[in-house]
Amino acid sequence: QVQLQESGPGLVKPSETLSLTCTVSGGSVSSGFYYWGWIRQPPGQGLEWIGYIYYTGSANYSPSLKSRVTISVDTSKNSFSLKLSSVTAADTAIYYCARFYYYDSSGDYPCYFDYWGQGTLVTVSS
Amino acid sequence: QSALTQPPSASGSPGQSVTISCTGSSSDIGGYNYVSWYQHHPGKAPRVMIYEVSKRPSGVPDRFSGSKSGNTASLTVSGLQAEDEADYYCSSYTASNNFYVFGTGTKVTVL
Repeated sequence: QVQLQESGPGLVKPSETLSLTCTVSGGSVSSGFYYWGWIRQPPGQGLEWIGYIYYTGSANYSPSLKSRVTISVDTSKNSFSLKLSSVTAADTAIYYCARFYYYDSSGDYPCYFDYWGQGTLVTVSS
Repeated sequence: QSALTQPPSASGSPGQSVTISCTGSSSDIGGYNYVSWYQHHPGKAPRVMIYEVSKRPSGVPDRFSGSKSGNTASLTVSGLQAEDEADYYCSSYTASNNFYVFGTGTKVTVL
């Protein structure tokens, strides 16, 4: 069973950089069938895509966050990470990491998140 | 990019059906079949219910079904049960940004 676990500080000061890591167990980030993504949910609001990365390091980001986001992958640690710079109170949210099922062996492109972490609340406050 | 548009709420009695719409444009829902639907109970991780417009992953009850017409996708929950009460989000690939976008979310209440 694939499991994902977010880790990182729960409190970040305004203007600083939010850093989270997602550790994967029961599966490999090096699998060619999947991308690895970050999603967030501000309090009382809906889900928002942040970005996703392939094991090769190729990443794609939300246009609204692109200037502040970096996602990286560490195949040796079977993990991937999120960095969001210059944070403000608007970045306060539950942050989820998830596996994006992009391609299957039959040649189909399912394109959905099939496994998620439990989420971690990050508060931006001084 | 703008979120896909969903009604804020929907409701039905146990055993009834409820349908949730998700409206986008020709750059996303209308142009591609990469539409998925997620069920989200507060405090838990979201769960995919439908992918590629109408396909169900293994383990998802067949009470959940998806469809698409033009720029609007729909999720129907038949035979409503108490455990179906949750927030539901659609998601689609969008060619305008070569990225993906969620819908605004719909809270389903089982009366």
